Amino acid sequence: KAGVTQTPRYLIKTRGQQVTLSCSPISGHRSVSWYQQTPGQGLQFLFEYFSETQRNKGNFPGRFSGRQFSNSRSEMNVSTLELGDSALYLCASSFKGGAQNIQYFGAGTRLSVL
Amino acid sequence: QQQVKQSPQSLIVQKGGISIINCAYENTAFDYFPWYQQFPGKGPALLIAIRPDVSEKKEGRFTISFNKSAKQFSLHIMDSQPGDSATYFCAARRGAGSYQLTFGKGTKLSVIP
Repeated sequence: KAGVTQTPRYLIKTRGQQVTLSCSPISGHRSVSWYQQTPGQGLQFLFEYFSETQRNKGNFPGRFSGRQFSNSRSEMNVSTLELGDSALYLCASSFKGGAQNIQYFGAGTRLSVL
Repeated sequence: QQQVKQSPQSLIVQKGGISIINCAYENTAFDYFPWYQQFPGKGPALLIAIRPDVSEKKEGRFTISFNKSAKQFSLHIMDSQPGDSATYFCAARRGAGSYQLTFGKGTKLSVIP
């Protein structure tokens, strides 16, 4: 079974631009969560989707948004990029009802904002 | 407000030794406590997890000890190996039906030969 796939792996943008990151969950998984990882703040929860519905949202500004499609693939968008948005963005998928609701993480998209 | 506090920030252990990482939480609504291992360039991978109705769980060389009254839990890595060198994160999940995890800030473990 293929793991969680995130594209692109690396991205360089400039301040003020917007960016879209993509996540393909493990086949059969309907829940997708996004996290931001930085050296200073660690792993912070962005949002969680299940069956195309956002179930939870972390404490991030409205510039951060996401969506989930009917095939469970998910995208997150960051508008008006700031230098502080430079981070590793991780996507995790879960199978609802699976043992211990394990979240499987992708390798992440490393975003650099110049 | 950091809801899961993890220590130490970094840890150096000799091969064959025991690595111990500690976490403390504040929210009593947390009901699931996983530990993740992350290697450079990779996403975190689930190592072992425990629920608060169990005081200890062991899987191979990895053991979680859980103290519900103290709101603390720890990861013990027995017979630590250089291949265990990675960053370890404790986490907590609030309530069934949600997959949202609150993570500790991580411990960088280095196992030296």
